[in-house]
Amino acid sequence: EVQLVESGGTVVRPGGSLRLSCVTSGFIFDEYGINWVRQAPGKGLEWVSHINWNGDSIGYAGSVRGRFTVSRDNDKKSIYLQMDSLRAEDTALYFCARDSSNYVENYYFDYWGQGTLVTVSS
Amino acid sequence: DIVLTQSPATLSLSPGERATLSCRASQNVGFYLAWYQQKRGQAPRLLIYDASNRASGIPARFRGSGSGTDFTLTISSLEPEDFAVFYCQQRDSWPPVFGQGTRLEMK
Repeated sequence: EVQLVESGGTVVRPGGSLRLSCVTSGFIFDEYGINWVRQAPGKGLEWVSHINWNGDSIGYAGSVRGRFTVSRDNDKKSIYLQMDSLRAEDTALYFCARDSSNYVENYYFDYWGQGTLVTVSS
Repeated sequence: DIVLTQSPATLSLSPGERATLSCRASQNVGFYLAWYQQKRGQAPRLLIYDASNRASGIPARFRGSGSGTDFTLTISSLEPEDFAVFYCQQRDSWPPVFGQGTRLEMK
């Protein structure tokens, strides 16, 4: 069974930093790209970041570029999102989601975690 | 960035009825459009990709159609478990973008 489990969400002050983790199982991790998608409370979905299967292709939404850094550890079957210079508008439930095709950056998301909540507040 | 506009914002129907949800793109996205269903407190679920292909395990009552700038998700006969928020998403142009969602509620 494919599983993605996020962790690391908490309350952080504006300007602070946080590192989210996404641990996966049930599929060949190093064949798939993984994305971060967020959802502000009561709002819609916003794509945040993508890292491809081997980590040599990375992309960010304009709203987080220069502040967020995505990485992967294929030995640990995990994805990380380092979030710096956090703002109130970064408050959201952060999901990790798998690309639906292996080896291809197809930006369709077929398996999702349950999300981890990040709250940026003083 | 491409903008996806979904309509209506809210759709009130009864089980057994047919639901028609619309997604309009601000520019041509070809067939590179997906639909997701999100129930309250859950992660989104991929329903349709490439405009008309059902994802694994998705019932046949869900049908996607359209191309270019106009897309439709049709649910032929609503089941009680279908009521949720539905999002379209394009992948033709970077960055991937979601629509604002349509809430399908039980009348």
